[in-house]
Amino acid sequence: NAGVTQTPKFRILKIGQSMTLQCTQDMNHNYMYWYRQDPGMGLKLIYYSVGAGITDKGEVPNGYNVSRSTTEDFPLRLELAAPSQTSVYFCASTTGTSGKRYYNEQFFGPGTRLTVL
Amino acid sequence: AQSVTQLDSQVPVFEEAPVELRCNYSSSVSVYLFWYVQYPNQGLQLLLKYLSGSTLVKGINGFEAEFNKSQTSFHLRKPSVHISDTAEYFCAVRTSGAGSYQLTFGKGTKLSVIP
Repeated sequence: NAGVTQTPKFRILKIGQSMTLQCTQDMNHNYMYWYRQDPGMGLKLIYYSVGAGITDKGEVPNGYNVSRSTTEDFPLRLELAAPSQTSVYFCASTTGTSGKRYYNEQFFGPGTRLTVL
Repeated sequence: AQSVTQLDSQVPVFEEAPVELRCNYSSSVSVYLFWYVQYPNQGLQLLLKYLSGSTLVKGINGFEAEFNKSQTSFHLRKPSVHISDTAEYFCAVRTSGAGSYQLTFGKGTKLSVIP
C-alpha cells in the first residue's frame, strides 16, 4: 500500500490564484482530514469527511472547500489564495472501524508546502 | 471541547540522557490520547496511544508515556535519547465517544539531541 499520498509537494501561488491540493489513500479508510500546520501552532483541522459524499468544517475552514466523490480521494480547493494561507498542508485518514488493526490511528501524508506571494 | 497544552516548545538534551516531554489536556468527557512524531520535512507518524487499560503505554523507538487522569497529563519519556530522536513531537487528544474521530493537537515540542 502507498498509504496517503499528496500532490504537489511544493507550490508557489500568487494572491488571488486558485489551486487544488490532491490527497489519495489506498487503505479503504472512511474518514479523511485536511490539516494546516503553521510554525509553533501545531495542526489545525480545516475540513474532514466521514465517507464519500459527506464533508464537514473543522476549526479553520474559511477560504477552503472540499469534496469527497470517492472513498479514495479528498481534494482541498483554494479559490482565492491569500498570504494567510501560506502553510504546510497535511492530509490524513483513518478507518474508524473497531476491530481493525489500525483503529484509532490517523495516517498522514507527506504534506504540501504552499507559499502565497 | 477538548484542548491540549504542551508545556515546552523546545527541549535540548544531550545524547544518551533521559528526556520527558510534557503534555496536559482538558476535556469534560473520556478521552483517547496520542503522541505523534514529525521528522524534518515529513508527515506525522504515530509513536503511541492510550485508549484504556494500563496507564503506562509503550511505543516505538523506546518511547513510553504515562496517563495520569487526576493530573490530566500524558507525558512522554525516553530513558536514553539518540541523535535520530531529533524531531518535533505532538500530543493529541480525541473524545472516546463515536463521531468523526477528530484529533485536537498541541502546538508541538521540538526535541534537539546534542551529540
